[in-house]
Amino acid sequence: AQKVTQAQTEISVVEKEDVTLDCVYETRDTTYYLFWYKQPPSGELVFLIRRNSFDEQNEISGRYSWNFQKSTSSFNFTITASQVVDSAVYFCALSEARRGYSTLTFGKGTMLLVSP
Amino acid sequence: GAGVSQSPSNKVTEKGKDVELRCDPISGHTALYWYRQSLGQGLEFLIYFQGNSAPDKSGLPSDRFSAERTGGSVSTLTIQRTQQEDSAVYLCASSRGTGDTEAFFGQGTRLTVV
Repeated sequence: AQKVTQAQTEISVVEKEDVTLDCVYETRDTTYYLFWYKQPPSGELVFLIRRNSFDEQNEISGRYSWNFQKSTSSFNFTITASQVVDSAVYFCALSEARRGYSTLTFGKGTMLLVSP
Repeated sequence: GAGVSQSPSNKVTEKGKDVELRCDPISGHTALYWYRQSLGQGLEFLIYFQGNSAPDKSGLPSDRFSAERTGGSVSTLTIQRTQQEDSAVYLCASSRGTGDTEAFFGQGTRLTVV
């Protein structure tokens, strides 16, 4: 069965530190998508990135970068030079071809606290 | 509309009462999803609609939970005879269609059963 594990429940850093959020997934599908969402205190889930299982290229978007490694079933997320506004809960998620990509299986989330 | 809209934003109900939660997806989005976020269980999938039909209801936790979607747009999630364990944030999302994996989420309805 599909599963997403975010082992870090809460991370606290000081502004300008780099921080990596870990995500490990399990799936029997060979075709799947991986996602990261941000949930600020307002509660709305904000889409950050989607990656398909055939594309292992790392991606950088501003201060955000993602490292996808199929060999270790991991899809880690790094924030460089963190800012107070990055404080939120971050969710990693998986969708699978056999379910038509129609549903997301989420990890439990990692709460990131960035202090000034 | 500009985004996924959910109402009410907060709902307090007495145990045993029925509640209806509403989701208005982004205009033109044919796929609609309901998720539940609770402290103990994290984010759980409940049900998925493609148009007005629900090909995947596998996440509904009991027969007290039902959902419908009419006109391929607004959806209503109904919880009958609410229990305290139903207290959670109910999130709705929509996407352009089957296979479009970028789902946009609403801000959720916080349900508290007292």
